[in-house]
Amino acid sequence: GAVVSQHPSRVICKSGTSVKIECRSLDFQATTMFWYRQFPKKSLMLMATSNEGSKATYEQGVEKDKFLINHASLTLSTLTVTSAHPEDSSFYICSAPLGGRAYDEQFFGPGTRLTVL
Amino acid sequence: KNQVEQSPQSLIILEGKNCTLQCNYTVSPFSNLRWYKQDTGRGPVSLTIMTFSENTKSNGRYTATLDADTKQSSLHITASQLSDSASYICVVSASNDPDSGFQKLVFGTGTRLLVSP
Repeated sequence: GAVVSQHPSRVICKSGTSVKIECRSLDFQATTMFWYRQFPKKSLMLMATSNEGSKATYEQGVEKDKFLINHASLTLSTLTVTSAHPEDSSFYICSAPLGGRAYDEQFFGPGTRLTVL
Repeated sequence: KNQVEQSPQSLIILEGKNCTLQCNYTVSPFSNLRWYKQDTGRGPVSLTIMTFSENTKSNGRYTATLDADTKQSSLHITASQLSDSASYICVVSASNDPDSGFQKLVFGTGTRLLVSP
């Protein structure tokens, strides 16, 4: 199946710093990617939809200035957590649909564990 | 409100035994239902995807059923193995979002399965 990678797999940072997470579709192009966060023992919650060449669409309650998304190419989307705080500590997962809008089987990345001290 | 509920929340079974996980949903309009396996600290991996007209689908030792009338699905795992220990997430797709063109995914909270030797 299609492969989606994320980098880094885990990151520890100090409060107030910014952290960038990359999501790549390795063997297919994705004009749209999705970013989720997951708290322990909870389900995935959609944060935003990343669109290549245009602005991201954020879910209600997600601060767009806090979570900056850039979809620079057809295979790369980045999520930057700005001025991170301990409450931003979470598991961040991206997904990319294969086959375009008519057939959106989604493939998930392995996730990035963010810990803010 | 679109919701997906799973039961049980957690389950412990002995290696080699069978088990069945349940999923009830109130998503409308319904498009398809997916089961994912998520290992701890990893992204979800697709097991099965079923549309409205399908009532059963198998993937190796995993068999999913769907009753669109009662809005229920089950995932049956046969001859469990230690590697089956993971969270199993039921995800229901609502029909295409008019803004993004993609199907809205509604995630269940998952069933945490532990297969004991």
